[in-house]
Amino acid sequence: QVRLLQSGPEVKNPGSSVRVSCKASGGSFSSDTLNWVRQAPGHGLEWMGNIIPILGTTKAAQKFQGRVTITADESTTTAYMVLSSLTFEDTAVYYCARARAVVDPFDFWGQGTLVTVSS
Amino acid sequence: SYVVTQPPSVSVAPGQTARITCGGDSIGTRNVHWYQQKPGQAPVVVVYDDSDRPSGIPERFSGSNSGNTATLAISRVEAGDEADYYCQVWDSSSDHWVFGGGAKLTVL
Repeated sequence: QVRLLQSGPEVKNPGSSVRVSCKASGGSFSSDTLNWVRQAPGHGLEWMGNIIPILGTTKAAQKFQGRVTITADESTTTAYMVLSSLTFEDTAVYYCARARAVVDPFDFWGQGTLVTVSS
Repeated sequence: SYVVTQPPSVSVAPGQTARITCGGDSIGTRNVHWYQQKPGQAPVVVVYDDSDRPSGIPERFSGSNSGNTATLAISRVEAGDEADYYCQVWDSSSDHWVFGGGAKLTVL
């Protein structure tokens, strides 16, 4: 059974950056694909990007290219997502989600991290 | 980029069958995954690869995919099935995942 434990809620100023962590346990972290998905209040799911830790390869959705950085630390089985140049529209719950392979469904999800952008 | 479209809402009486669609250009040639999300919770996959069910998901949940429409069907609908349902498709041209806008299922 895979468990994904995310870091706690964040409140950030516009223009700043936020880092959300996702600690994985119980799976094959290195060979899995870790995805990041966000959900603004009252809105749907939005895929942000992913990483395959063993390869170190990342992919970012076009909307977030240049603003999102996804990394993974195999030694601590933790994935990170940094989103920079925050605006009010980035207020959302951010989820990490595991897939066995790049095109597989997201079978395990973190609990979500609320990021609030406020001045 | 690839676009998939879902109806914003679907309503059904208890015991009936709910059908939630996901439309996209030749979506029948792609694998579609379906997620259920209840308020305040993370999504849960209920159907993957068009019509397969993860362990623990009731047989009442089924999926099909042909032409320009994928469909999630929930038979013998119960009050506990009220949730938002999202379809998900891999866009191989961009190596991106695409989610539908979500459909809110209301049990009357």
